[in-house]
Amino acid sequence: AQKITQTQPGMFVQEKEAVTLDCTYDTSDPSYGLFWYKQPSSGEMIFLIYQGSYDQQNATEGRYSLNFQKARKSANLVISASQLGDSAMYFCAMREGRAGGSQGNLIFGKGTKLSVKP
Amino acid sequence: GAVVSQHPSRVICKSGTSVKIECRSLDFQATTMFWYRQFPKQSLMLMATSNEGSKATYEQGVEKDKFLINHASLTLSTLTVTSAHPEDSSFYICSAGTRGRNEKLFFGSGTQLSVL
Repeated sequence: AQKITQTQPGMFVQEKEAVTLDCTYDTSDPSYGLFWYKQPSSGEMIFLIYQGSYDQQNATEGRYSLNFQKARKSANLVISASQLGDSAMYFCAMREGRAGGSQGNLIFGKGTKLSVKP
Repeated sequence: GAVVSQHPSRVICKSGTSVKIECRSLDFQATTMFWYRQFPKQSLMLMATSNEGSKATYEQGVEKDKFLINHASLTLSTLTVTSAHPEDSSFYICSAGTRGRNEKLFFGSGTQLSVL
């Protein structure tokens, strides 16, 4: 079974509108972290937002917010007031476990290509 | 914020040659670095975990003799693609993290390898 599922291969949004990118995850580990990254056409991976499994509140970073629904195992990214520069691939990722301070590694979803229309 | 520098950004080589890709953490010490591979329009797939001063841990299906990883210092990890073949053409990207910064892994800008 896939650990990270992003069901939207592509999404369109009108400039200045909000958009939600879906992400569901599968883990039996009670300790995990969820990440969203943006990958523009240049290829670099840009960290957007992080949510820890024990965090009580949904994470927010500027125009980005993470709609964390633990019982449903979903971690959707919400981008408010979309800008043309938001057009890119967006990846949801998970890291399981943090025992002993170890980093673990990231498991990535297949990504969603977001296109912002003027 | 923390910066990870990856070099070169693009390389074209002939089949049979070896290519070295460098990943440097510029303003922090990276005890762990990760190497990923990404095919066009695909997700990132972890190849190996590089730990400073010890052997890298490779993911299943990744040939350790073909993809040599060296993490000789706390700021540098290298990935060498030995005897490259056209099927090795891909986008390779590294990430680095350290204790105390568990919540964020910092990525390099990636290397596009094209083997002719």
